[in-house]
Amino acid sequence: AQKVTQAQTEISVVEKEDVTLDCVYETRDTTYYLFWYKQPPSGELVFLIRRNSFDEQNEISGRYSWNFQKSTSSFNFTITASQVVDSAVYFCALSEVDYGQNFVFGPGTRLSVLP
Amino acid sequence: EAGVAQSPRYKIIEKRQSVAFWCNPISGHATLYWYQQILGQGPKLLIQFQNNGVVDDSQLPKDRFSAERLKGVDSTLKIQPAKLEDSAVYLCASSSVTGSSYNEQFFGPGTRLTVL
Repeated sequence: AQKVTQAQTEISVVEKEDVTLDCVYETRDTTYYLFWYKQPPSGELVFLIRRNSFDEQNEISGRYSWNFQKSTSSFNFTITASQVVDSAVYFCALSEVDYGQNFVFGPGTRLSVLP
Repeated sequence: EAGVAQSPRYKIIEKRQSVAFWCNPISGHATLYWYQQILGQGPKLLIQFQNNGVVDDSQLPKDRFSAERLKGVDSTLKIQPAKLEDSAVYLCASSSVTGSSYNEQFFGPGTRLTVL
């Protein structure tokens, strides 16, 4: 069965520090998609990135970057020069393709950025 | 472009009562999802619709939960009768590509249900 693990339950950093959120997944599919979503205190989930299993290129978007490594089944998310507005719960998610269309979220990591 | 709308935003009921939630997806989005998010956990998919047909309801507790999307647009999720463990935020999401859960989902603000 598919599974998403986010071992860091809570992280606190001081503004301007870099922080990496870990995500490890399990799947038997060869074709799958990985996602990161942000859930700010307002509660509405916000899409950040989607990556398919055949594209291991790292991606950078402003202060955000993602490192996808199939060899270790990891899809880690780094925020550079964190800001208070980055404070939120971040979810990693997995969607399999070969064996159905299940969409599974990890338990989330709560990030607190202190001024 | 209007986002996913949900109502009510908050609901408090007593156990064994019934409750219904409503969701209006983004215009043109064929796929609609209902999730249950218990405090401190990630969202759990309850049911996925493609137009007005069910794609996946494997995690929906069918003895008490039901959902419909009669005209392929808005949807309702009902709980009857509610239990204490149903206290959670119920999230609705939609996506624009039919039949593919690996596409970007847009989420509504959720309905926070408290069962006393």
